[in-house]
Amino acid sequence: DTEVTQTPKHLVMGMTNKKSLKCEQHMGHRAMYWYKQKAKKPPELMFVYSYEKLSINESVPSRFSPECPNSSLLNLHLHALQPEDSALYLCASSRGTGGLLSNQPQHFGDGTRLSIL
Amino acid sequence: GDSVTQMEGPVTLSEEAFLTINCTYTATGYPSLFWYVQYPGEGLQLLLKATKADDKGSNKGFEATYRKETTSFHLEKGSVQVSDSAVYFCALSPDSSYKLIFGSGTRLLVRP
Repeated sequence: DTEVTQTPKHLVMGMTNKKSLKCEQHMGHRAMYWYKQKAKKPPELMFVYSYEKLSINESVPSRFSPECPNSSLLNLHLHALQPEDSALYLCASSRGTGGLLSNQPQHFGDGTRLSIL
Repeated sequence: GDSVTQMEGPVTLSEEAFLTINCTYTATGYPSLFWYVQYPGEGLQLLLKATKADDKGSNKGFEATYRKETTSFHLEKGSVQVSDSAVYFCALSPDSSYKLIFGSGTRLLVRP
């Protein structure tokens, strides 16, 4: 059983829709991540939150908007997506991102499979 | 920059065969090394890790040893099962960093 829970598992949306992806962890981790994974490729990092603050945005288009309401929750708000945004979106968490907490393994959820019509 | 190179797949084996998936890396300092597994329709699961040279990570019959002299972290299993069919990713976390740098992944198919 995964300790990082993502909802929904599948999402189909039109290019004009607004939707949100949700991620939850209860491991006390203070770093949370969003990744995008295309078929037969490794995950690509999108955003990093450290202690509920956005610390890294890997030049992601503004149609993707992350939010971290508290230390256990991470959202990804979607608006005006393009067909090429269809992918598996993975959330991950780790104990931390710096100092003695760096190099910690990341724990992944099962992802949300997103299809843009 | 830092990078990970994995052998290309797919790797096709019969049940109970010996498995090796090669992984080499380029990094400065002392990265941590990981193997992740992704079963069909699922996210990535941490399979094993090693944080310093000569460390051996092991889990579920899989093993990998952190070899700094050859910059390698090859994944091995003595006897694979059909249920091991999945995509395996080698990854490194650079020294004092949050980043995970993934290899391209190797698909393993185990036939009965």
